[in-house]
Amino acid sequence: EDQVTQSPEALRLQEGESSSLNCSYTVSGLRGLFWYRQDPGKGPEFLFTLYSAGEEKEKERLKATLTKKESFLHITAPKPEDSATYLCAVGGTNAGKSTFGDGTTLTVKP
Amino acid sequence: NAGVTQTPKFRVLKTGQSMTLLCAQDMNHEYMYWYRQDPGMGLRLIHYSVGEGTTAKGEVPDGYNVSRLKKQNFLLGLESAAPSQTSVYFCASSVARGTSGGGPAQYFGPGTRLLVL
Repeated sequence: EDQVTQSPEALRLQEGESSSLNCSYTVSGLRGLFWYRQDPGKGPEFLFTLYSAGEEKEKERLKATLTKKESFLHITAPKPEDSATYLCAVGGTNAGKSTFGDGTTLTVKP
Repeated sequence: NAGVTQTPKFRVLKTGQSMTLLCAQDMNHEYMYWYRQDPGMGLRLIHYSVGEGTTAKGEVPDGYNVSRLKKQNFLLGLESAAPSQTSVYFCASSVARGTSGGGPAQYFGPGTRLLVL
């Protein structure tokens, strides 16, 4: 059974204070590691897909990295508008289906 | 493109009532999914479909039924609502294969908030 664990559950940062969110996973046959952003009262919004260990993807202040056991979402010099819940998911061998973690809620104070 | 839309946005039901949640996507995606999201429990897959006319059970299918008569629509039905079905329901869709032939990213609707009294 695929499992995804995200840490920490909540993270409070000052504007400009860089940090990382962790996503640990176990899956039989990784077909993708996905990061999503979810704002309060809205649906998750796709950010990145990583397919193999060593792969990195960047978008503005966010950078996602992947190893064989975990992924990190690095946030560089965050701004208040980066405040959201960040969800990690893995796609296993069953095409299309993903298993989601419980998310990390990020709050960036000005 | 509207992407993934869900109807209704919010609904209150009494125990035992039935209702249907509608999901529509205009991206010509093959796969569609229904999730529920509860505080502290993340997103849990209810049912999914890999093509028109096909459906399959997810992690928490009991008490729900689905139909995919048209490629662009995926309906979630509650035949006899229970308070335990109070939740936020999200529909998502995806292509069959992601880039590099791997798993696909999913694109979500805005959600339906359901309260069962």
